[in-house]
Amino acid sequence: EAQVTQNPRYLITVTGKKLTVTCSQNMNHEYMSWYRQDPGLGLRQIYYSMNVEVTDKGDVPEGYKVSRKEKRNFPLILESPSPNQTSLYFCASSPGQGVGPQHFGDGTRLSIL
Amino acid sequence: GIQVEQSPPDLILQEGANSTLRCNFSDSVNNLQWFHQNPWGQLINLFYIPSGTKQNGRLSATTVATERYSLLYISSSQTTDSGVYFCAVTSGSRLTFGEGTQLTVNP
Repeated sequence: EAQVTQNPRYLITVTGKKLTVTCSQNMNHEYMSWYRQDPGLGLRQIYYSMNVEVTDKGDVPEGYKVSRKEKRNFPLILESPSPNQTSLYFCASSPGQGVGPQHFGDGTRLSIL
Repeated sequence: GIQVEQSPPDLILQEGANSTLRCNFSDSVNNLQWFHQNPWGQLINLFYIPSGTKQNGRLSATTVATERYSLLYISSSQTTDSGVYFCAVTSGSRLTFGEGTQLTVNP
C-alpha cells in the first residue's frame, strides 16, 4: 500500500530535549516536505526537499532541521524544542516539485512543556 | 507570496444536500489540489486539478486557471463528509494552503 509513515504519532516532551520525527514514503517520490498546522494559522510549510541531498526552507524554518540522505526518508529534527513548537506536524511526498498529488502522513502531535 | 482564499469559512448542511466550495488564488499557479481533513486529523487528497474538471463519485472539482479560481462540488452530502476542506496551490517551489472550509453535515 502506497503511504507516508510518520513516527511518533504523539509526543509530550520538555523544553530543550532534542527530538526527531521520522518520515518515510514507499512511492519512490522525489519531493518531500514538512508542514505544521496551528489553529488560526492553517498549514505552513517548514522545509522541503526536491531530491536526495537537496533541501530548502519553507515559510517557517526557524528552530527546525531536516536531512535527506535517502530518497524514502525525510526526518524533522528539533534540536532544542520550545513551547512555541507545540503543534500538529505533517510530512508529505509527491512525484516531483509541483508534480502530482501530495500524499500526507497521518500527522504527529507534539507537545513541548 | 501567493494568497489563497476559501469560502465560505463554515458550512452546515443537512444530509442529502448539495454544496459548492470556492477557492480563489492571487497569482498563476503550477497546480491546485483539494484536501479533506477528517475529524481524526488525517489529510486526504481529493483532487489534483491544475485545470479542467474531474469527478470522483459524489465529489467533483473544476479549476479555471485563467480566472484564478477552483470549485469543489459535493452532492448528496453524508455525515462522513464532515471535516475541513482545504485548497492548496503550488507556485514555484512552495505549496500554500487556504484557511479551509469547515463543513458539518447533520443527520
